[in-house]
Amino acid sequence: GAGVSQSPSNKVTEKGKDVELRCDPISGHTALYWYRQRLGQGLEFLIYFQGNSAPDKSGLPSDRFSAERTGESVSTLTIQRTQQEDSAVYLCASSRGLAGDEQFFGPGTRLTVL
Amino acid sequence: KQEVTQIPAALSVPEGENLVLNCSFTDSAIYNLQWFRQDPGKGLTSLLLIQSSQREQTSGRLNASLDKSSGRSTLYIAASQPGDSATYLCAVVTDSWGKFQFGAGTQVVVTP
Repeated sequence: GAGVSQSPSNKVTEKGKDVELRCDPISGHTALYWYRQRLGQGLEFLIYFQGNSAPDKSGLPSDRFSAERTGESVSTLTIQRTQQEDSAVYLCASSRGLAGDEQFFGPGTRLTVL
Repeated sequence: KQEVTQIPAALSVPEGENLVLNCSFTDSAIYNLQWFRQDPGKGLTSLLLIQSSQREQTSGRLNASLDKSSGRSTLYIAASQPGDSATYLCAVVTDSWGKFQFGAGTQVVVTP
């Protein structure tokens, strides 16, 4: 496809379970970003990938959160032992890789932790 | 630390009126500023990207200005339509990694 895709679009899980969220960036985009938007709040940066490396993980809220990227393409955000406060929309964005480049966002994954 | 503020938080106008949305930021050393639209339950749609060296960008009925020295950007939407109802977000990049600092958004309702 031409845009950024994310899966699943919705995920409902029980507290304590692990979840994996997937992002497929635009082909050829070397930069990939994960953001989180909790209900009624602004978007928060989580992690940035340049290629397969993550030079900025400063936004990950706890060690329960991790992410990886392979083949300079797909990225997976993993949340272990989910908590109710992890409920949010998780958004992925990609760009060609320079700080001034336009970023394109995926539709997001809505995570609900019961 | 960069702070991004959007005023007003909400705005309701009758169809046909022009919309003026404001975004301010505290650190003028930005790489770029991008305006987005977000519809309920959806992701972000890019509207306009203004590089730090630019003063404005235009696309159709949309015009965005940038005044780095005063830390402000304004998004103008001419002749608003009910389909313009959405939340509008501005975001700035202030580091070389390109990560965004977002404002909280302005929720716009255009009434027929």
